[in-house]
Amino acid sequence: EPEVTQTPSHQVTQMGQEVILRCVPISNHLYFYWYRQILGQKVEFLVSFYNNEISEKSEIFDDQFSVERPDGSNFTLKIRSTKLEDSAMYFCAIAGTHDSYEQYFGPGTRLTVT
Amino acid sequence: GQQLNQSPQSMFIQEGEDVSMNCTSSSIFNTWLWYKQDPGEGPVLLIALYKAGELTSNGRLTAQFGITRKDSFLNISASIPSDVGIYFCAGQIGNQFYFGTGTSLTVIP
Repeated sequence: EPEVTQTPSHQVTQMGQEVILRCVPISNHLYFYWYRQILGQKVEFLVSFYNNEISEKSEIFDDQFSVERPDGSNFTLKIRSTKLEDSAMYFCAIAGTHDSYEQYFGPGTRLTVT
Repeated sequence: GQQLNQSPQSMFIQEGEDVSMNCTSSSIFNTWLWYKQDPGEGPVLLIALYKAGELTSNGRLTAQFGITRKDSFLNISASIPSDVGIYFCAGQIGNQFYFGTGTSLTVIP
C-alpha cells in the first residue's frame, strides 16, 4: 500500500492566522487530493490536483484555500485567515498509477482554530 | 455534490455475527470503494470495485458493485472485536471521490 505522510499531525492556530498543511506521498502517483472531516462527520472532498494544477474543486474550496506542489514532491494546502469552523481533520490522498485508481489516505492533520 | 446514502448509520453486534451495510445514490459511479476509519486516523482502503456486478472479497470482507452502478454493499463475516470502526463507502466520478455518511460498527465480545 502506498505511503502518504502528513505534517504536522496537529496544528493549533488563532483565528485569522494562515496555516500550511503538508503532504508527502512516498510513491509516484498521478492524482492528489485534499479532504476535510469535521469531527463526527463524513469525509468531504476539497480539491483534486493533477499535472501541477487543480483539476476539480468543491464549493467548500473557496478563495480562502490554495494548493500547490512547490518542489515536485510536497503537496500543500494553505488556508488563509482561518475561521473557527475550519477546525477539522484534513486528509491528503493519492490515487492513480498505471494499474489502478485506488485512493490512499494519509494519517491526517488535526487543525484546531481558537 | 453527489449524495451517497449509507445504511445503517450504526450497528451493535455480537462477536461472530455477520454484518451487512450498503450505500445507494441517485448518481452512477465508475468505481466504488469501501474504507474503514479508526478514531484519529485516516480512512484505510478495504476493497475497490471497478465493474458493474463485480463481487470482490478480501478475507472476511465481501463487496459488490451494484448492477445499476448506483449502489454497493459490504459484508463482513464472523465479526471480531478489531472490526470496530466507522466504514465509509465512496464513489468515483471523473476525478472526484464522494463519500457516504458512514456506518459505525461496534462489536461486543
